[in-house]
Amino acid sequence: ETGVTQTPRHLVMGMTNKKSLKCEQHLGHNAMYWYKQSAKKPLELMFVYNFKEQTENNSVPSRFSPECPNSSHLFLHLHTLQPEDSALYLCASSQVQGASGYTFGSGTRLTVV
Amino acid sequence: QKEVEQDPGPLSVPEGAIVSLNCTYSNSAFQYFMWYRQYSRKGPELLMYTYSSGNKEDGRFTAQVDKSSKYISLFIRDSQPSDSATYLCAMSEGGSQGNLIFGKGTKLSVKP
Repeated sequence: ETGVTQTPRHLVMGMTNKKSLKCEQHLGHNAMYWYKQSAKKPLELMFVYNFKEQTENNSVPSRFSPECPNSSHLFLHLHTLQPEDSALYLCASSQVQGASGYTFGSGTRLTVV
Repeated sequence: QKEVEQDPGPLSVPEGAIVSLNCTYSNSAFQYFMWYRQYSRKGPELLMYTYSSGNKEDGRFTAQVDKSSKYISLFIRDSQPSDSATYLCAMSEGGSQGNLIFGKGTKLSVKP
């Protein structure tokens, strides 16, 4: 394991469902991130939390709602998603926001039907 | 112009070849440069980390940064089939203003 654990690994949900993605890091890092990875596109930064405080929301639609209850856990709550939201959702953490290497989880492969 | 440009490939080489992967960027404020390797069905893993200009070597891997040309490279010597993966460049300004900006990734296949 990389030190960042994401669950579930795979998720299929209907457009009217509500689900949550979970991320946990065991590295003592202070910053956590959600990224979206779609085919043939660069990784897209969605949200940043630094010391549990949200420091960036990269114009993400409100159907994605992050939650960071403590510096080790990060959630992404999903509701009323669209088929174009199907992608690999990656969680990452780092010691310092932006300047240090990020450690990624293995991601959640999300399919919206 | 996109902030970070990276040729997505795919790039196919024979085992033992020297591989050169490159990225260009437009933001002169970038000062932290990284290369990530991503195997299929896995998250990216940090391969090389460089601050500012210069070279860094780690085993068969060498990272080069040329800030004057806004160009970074990753060289893989004596490439192995296990090097087959997607390689992503990433960079940031650092500090509270700087989140990592990624290239699209280059898919590399090393044939035995």
